[in-house]
Amino acid sequence: DQQVKQNSPSLSVQEGRISILNCDYTNSMFDYFLWYKKYPAEGPTFLISISSIKDKNEDGRFTVFLNKSAKHLSLHIVPSQPGDSAVYFCAAVSNFGNEKLTFGTGTRLTIIP
Amino acid sequence: EAQVTQNPRYLITVTGKKLTVTCSQNMNHEYMSWYRQDPGLGLRQIYYSMNVEVTDKGDVPEGYKVSRKEKRNFPLILESPSPNQTSLYFCATSRGSEAFFGQGTRLTVV
Repeated sequence: DQQVKQNSPSLSVQEGRISILNCDYTNSMFDYFLWYKKYPAEGPTFLISISSIKDKNEDGRFTVFLNKSAKHLSLHIVPSQPGDSAVYFCAAVSNFGNEKLTFGTGTRLTIIP
Repeated sequence: EAQVTQNPRYLITVTGKKLTVTCSQNMNHEYMSWYRQDPGLGLRQIYYSMNVEVTDKGDVPEGYKVSRKEKRNFPLILESPSPNQTSLYFCATSRGSEAFFGQGTRLTVV
């Protein structure tokens, strides 16, 4: 039972345009969400997070939006750069501080120069 | 530099031959965990440890063991590896909800 889903296994975006990665969840107990970025031959690295009390969090070129009623979050990258090409995982936590992360299946983003 | 170090990075082994993947962290975090990454399935938690001598099963613990005798180390043990344990393994340590991952161990069981 996949509680966190990323329905697009891959996405290609032109350099300079906006990349939008989507994530859906089913467990209403999740109250903290994170995005991780993974390059080949490396471990995932933390990118950005959002608490369920917010609907938006921004950090430079990266913005995460949360729609609690739809159980949906998205990561916007603008403008997209070649170095953004990676696999992106969304993850969710129930009861902030619990530390157990439930990951989605990942989306491979390719930025076309 | 804050690090999570896994060894080995790559391993090919035969069915039934016991192996251990080591994990060490220098961040003094209490929570450590092991994940496996498989195509189409994302990252799934195998085991976790909330502190020394405290370990518990994650979502896919079958065929694995762990130990936590000291805070910095959290080895993953496969007593009798099988081909379905061929995967990419990550050790992680956490403070709050942010996890820090090792570089991964690619294991092939033939």
